[in-house]
Amino acid sequence: QKEVEQNSGPLSVPEGAIASLNCTYSDRVSQSFFWYRQYSGKSPELIMSIYSNGDKEDGRFTAQLNKASQYVSLLIRDSQPSDSATYLCAVNKMGGEYGNKLVFGAGTILRVKS
Amino acid sequence: DTAVSQTPKYLVTQMGNDKSIKCEQNLGHDTMYWYKQDSKKFLKIMFSYNNKELIINETVPNRFSPKSPDKAHLNLHINSLELGDSAVYFCASSQDPGTEYEQYFGPGTRLTVT
Repeated sequence: QKEVEQNSGPLSVPEGAIASLNCTYSDRVSQSFFWYRQYSGKSPELIMSIYSNGDKEDGRFTAQLNKASQYVSLLIRDSQPSDSATYLCAVNKMGGEYGNKLVFGAGTILRVKS
Repeated sequence: DTAVSQTPKYLVTQMGNDKSIKCEQNLGHDTMYWYKQDSKKFLKIMFSYNNKELIINETVPNRFSPKSPDKAHLNLHINSLELGDSAVYFCASSQDPGTEYEQYFGPGTRLTVT
């Protein structure tokens, strides 16, 4: 079982619709969860972080966390063509004696059609 | 001003050569990281430094040697380059190595070994 799993997609949604991106993780003790957006040929850009169960909203983005189900999701409302990118789910876990490391999923490709 | 910068952006070299990549952050962060993103776009941590001290060293060939002259700089030297080293290498930084701290990525260095 992969540590962080995402559906690779592509997920295609029409402009203005809600895009729903999902992620599951295997380590029950993980405490911090992040969503990064990566455009082709560019670096990962942090768009959301979530640490507690429930929803966290920031503009058109809502992150949802359910630690009991080991599940984190990202909703993008009013999707725009500019949202077309690969979305990376990352789970932060302790690495070695000290220090944290991000474990990334393989990413979900999102395509928003105008 | 660029928060996390890397040089060079592109690096094309032949097998067996030695090359270095440099990273600098002006965010005042204490912790810096090297990640490798392979051709399948999978992003994986290689090393982490906190205040010039190595704190994470994943299973990476010892041909890869990181160095942190100060907490704002992290370099990666690669000896005897192999075809499989071709990838995009990202530097990242965070305020602290704690799991709750967000990581910010540099623009990446695309290494091509021929």
